[in-house]
Amino acid sequence: DAMVIQNPRYQVTQFGKPVTLSCSQTLNHNVMYWYQQKSSQAPKLLFHYYDKDFNNEADTPDNFQSRRPNTSFCFLDIRSPGLGDAAMYLCATSRDLAGAKDTQYFGPGTRLTVL
Amino acid sequence: AQSVTQPDIHITVSEGASLELRCNYSYGATPYLFWYVQSPGQGLQLLLKYFSGDTLVQGIKGFEAEFKRSQSSFNLRKPSVHWSDAAEYFCASASGNTGKLIFGQGTTLQVKP
Repeated sequence: DAMVIQNPRYQVTQFGKPVTLSCSQTLNHNVMYWYQQKSSQAPKLLFHYYDKDFNNEADTPDNFQSRRPNTSFCFLDIRSPGLGDAAMYLCATSRDLAGAKDTQYFGPGTRLTVL
Repeated sequence: AQSVTQPDIHITVSEGASLELRCNYSYGATPYLFWYVQSPGQGLQLLLKYFSGDTLVQGIKGFEAEFKRSQSSFNLRKPSVHWSDAAEYFCASASGNTGKLIFGQGTTLQVKP
């Protein structure tokens, strides 16, 4: 049973054309995360939502935004994708932010290509 | 600053051989440590985690890891590797306050027949 679902799995966009990536979860978790993983690199946290509270990492570019309309869904919006934004985008969830003890469950990722 | 280092970028082992992937962390207090596996084009799957208590942790797929505070290490082991274990392995630590995961650079495991 899928727990963290990401759509689409592959997304192609043009340079500068806004794109939205989707993540949904069936776990009813309070926290949802977005990570960016470039080729042959480790995942890097962009931001996370704790319920409706948005927490941006200090080095996340302004070009990246996120929305969480309800508990189950979270979106990653890239306003003007550049070639350097081509990456795998991973969504993850955790039950809570009770210290770091809550396991993060990852989705399969969306591979973004920018032409 | 909190950091995780995986010294080995790429490791090749023969099927049936034993495996050890190294991970070193830098953190003042006792960290929360994780090992994730990522197959090509896929998301990350949790293999095991360490929070406290017994320093030898058992995970899924026959993996185990040992926390050694004196060496700031959390190495992943498997006694007999299967061809399906070929993947990217990430060690990660988490801040006790935010839950943010800090990943190592990853180790690519190749399994020879």
